Amino acid sequence: SQTIHQWPATLVQPVGSPLSLECTVEGTSNPNLYWYRQAAGRGLQLLFYSVGIGQISSEVPQNLSASRPQDRQFILSSKKLLLSDSGFYLCAWSGGGMSFFGQGTRLTVV
Amino acid sequence: TQLLEQSPQFLSIQEGENLTVYCNSSSVFSSLQWYRQEPGEGPVLLVTVVTGGEVKKLKRLTFQFGDARKDSSLHITAAQPGDTGLYLCAGERSGGSNYKLTFGKGTLLTVNP
Repeated sequence: SQTIHQWPATLVQPVGSPLSLECTVEGTSNPNLYWYRQAAGRGLQLLFYSVGIGQISSEVPQNLSASRPQDRQFILSSKKLLLSDSGFYLCAWSGGGMSFFGQGTRLTVV
Repeated sequence: TQLLEQSPQFLSIQEGENLTVYCNSSSVFSSLQWYRQEPGEGPVLLVTVVTGGEVKKLKRLTFQFGDARKDSSLHITAAQPGDTGLYLCAGERSGGSNYKLTFGKGTLLTVNP
């Protein structure tokens, strides 16, 4: 069965520090992968999606970047975090008309 | 522009009551998905509807996709405290690429014992 792993679960980082969130998928090949941000437990905003290795599409201009170095690995990064980067970040993969989410990372920038 | 409007945004009811939440759009979707999310966790898929007029039942939950594939509803019968959570609808645009889903802002449901 397919599973998705996302870590860490929580993260507190100072302003100006770098960020790296990792997401890996098991049990499927060539998945479509996504990074979302969710503010205050409400709707999800799509940040990046990838349909293959090295292929990244950005949905909104921001302080973040994404990379897909391997088929089932998706990384969300920042060189210098801003206070406004705080939020709940979710990784997801899709296939067969369904999407599956990781457990999320609660990022607090202080 | 918010493509998917969910209503109500907040709903607090007593155990045993029935409720309906709505997901509306002016756009046509090839499919629409409903998710339930608990605090601090990722959304969990409940159902996918793909055919206009389709009705799917999942125990006490009934999902309906509008005939024009622009709207959907979720009806819960005899709500229980375990139904508490954030309910999100998400639409996949026509084309079947499933590259991107558009999410509504969610309905936060609280079922009081």
